[in-house]
Amino acid sequence: EPEVTQTPSHQVTQMGQEVILRCVPISNHLYFYWYRQILGQKVEFLVSFYNNEISEKSEIFDDQFSVERPDGSNFTLKIRSTKLEDSAMYFCASSEIVGAAITYEQYFGPGTRLTVT
Amino acid sequence: RKEVEQDPGPFNVPEGATVAFNCTYSNSASQSFFWYRQDCRKEPKLLMSVYSSGNEDGRFTAQLNRASQYISLLIRDSKLSDSATYLCVVSSGNTPLVFGKGTRLSVIA
Repeated sequence: EPEVTQTPSHQVTQMGQEVILRCVPISNHLYFYWYRQILGQKVEFLVSFYNNEISEKSEIFDDQFSVERPDGSNFTLKIRSTKLEDSAMYFCASSEIVGAAITYEQYFGPGTRLTVT
Repeated sequence: RKEVEQDPGPFNVPEGATVAFNCTYSNSASQSFFWYRQDCRKEPKLLMSVYSSGNEDGRFTAQLNRASQYISLLIRDSKLSDSATYLCVVSSGNTPLVFGKGTRLSVIA
């Protein structure tokens, strides 16, 4: 069964450093997302990406965040200068587009646990 | 007002029991509804989409009440492996998913 993959599974970084989280969405999916989950809290939307551009972003997704699809398979989230409060689990998700219709079911990767010290 | 509200639980039930979770949502424009399950420190996994007519998948039954803006999930014949957090999720078309905080279920032998 196809699945979303993410690397690394755990990243420890110092405050102020840049991190890049990587995702490989399911191959026939065209809509991609990043979510985060701070420990003990709910899953929160960060950004959605379609047709090589951001389609929507939340207020969490400020100038410190960026996304990119550098090639045909990877989808990355960059945090330029990490803060302590960026410590969270970051999930990548993707959804399929069938013809002109978008199926709204999103499938999540296993996540990257980011720890900022 | 919280967008998606769930009773956090925990619900502690014996194996074989039937358990039901409810969830309410505030955005009347919501069009898509889902239940995900999340195991500790793992990703949310899609359990089922929820359709207006209600739907069943094995031991799991989901219902949607648009007028009252609530969604329910019924689990029959609970198994130990059903122990997880159940996330109620809504979206308005192809917009980001909005998650509830989840309801914890522990199925006890």
